[in-house]
Amino acid sequence: SQQGEEDPQALSIQEGENATMNCSYKTSINNLQWYRQNSGRGLVHLILIRSNEREKHSGRLRVTLDTSKKSSSLLITASRAADTASYFCATGYTGANSKLTFGKGITLSVRP
Amino acid sequence: DAGVIQSPRHEVTEMGQEVTLRCKPISGHNSLFWYRQTMMRGLELLIYFNNNVPIDDSGMPEDRFSAKMPNASFSTLKIQPSEPRDSAVYFCASSPQFSSGGNRYNEQFFGPGTRLTVL
Repeated sequence: SQQGEEDPQALSIQEGENATMNCSYKTSINNLQWYRQNSGRGLVHLILIRSNEREKHSGRLRVTLDTSKKSSSLLITASRAADTASYFCATGYTGANSKLTFGKGITLSVRP
Repeated sequence: DAGVIQSPRHEVTEMGQEVTLRCKPISGHNSLFWYRQTMMRGLELLIYFNNNVPIDDSGMPEDRFSAKMPNASFSTLKIQPSEPRDSAVYFCASSPQFSSGGNRYNEQFFGPGTRLTVL
């Protein structure tokens, strides 16, 4: 089964509003990452947060991580139509294993 | 800098034919991943390599699928014989894998994908 599960599955907001997306996972991780996928394109890395970090910012993106609840959230502030895409969380693990486990993604639609 | 390069971008073939997908990772990256994406199953990891060595192929659907990485700059994913249920977008990704404080982190860089249609 996939490790990360995003919530909601789909989100529609008006341009200028904030978008909050959540991700839950089941086992211990050493990092969690968020990716964006525009229609017909490959995934693009947005941000990585390590298991000993609680919050991280990058431009209009804010990511939080709560390891006690095994959950993360991605906040996009002041959304733009160009933010319309699918967003995926991916979890990485301690040790030599370098793979990530991706969730099924959240479809974000930002209406102009 | 060129990103991950995949070819072909689109492939339409008939059931039973052999299909070969190609990937050139970003220079200097030591991990390479093959994924398959469908609406029904989402993004699935098929196989990944570290330093050209296959590490985990548990996601490869069956013996019809095989992957090779003969050198650090090239990998192939082959399906023989192909079936209609193999229709999907296949992504290749590479990662530089960096270490910090005893832990390893691995941001992945994805190629544009190959859209495979098996008729």
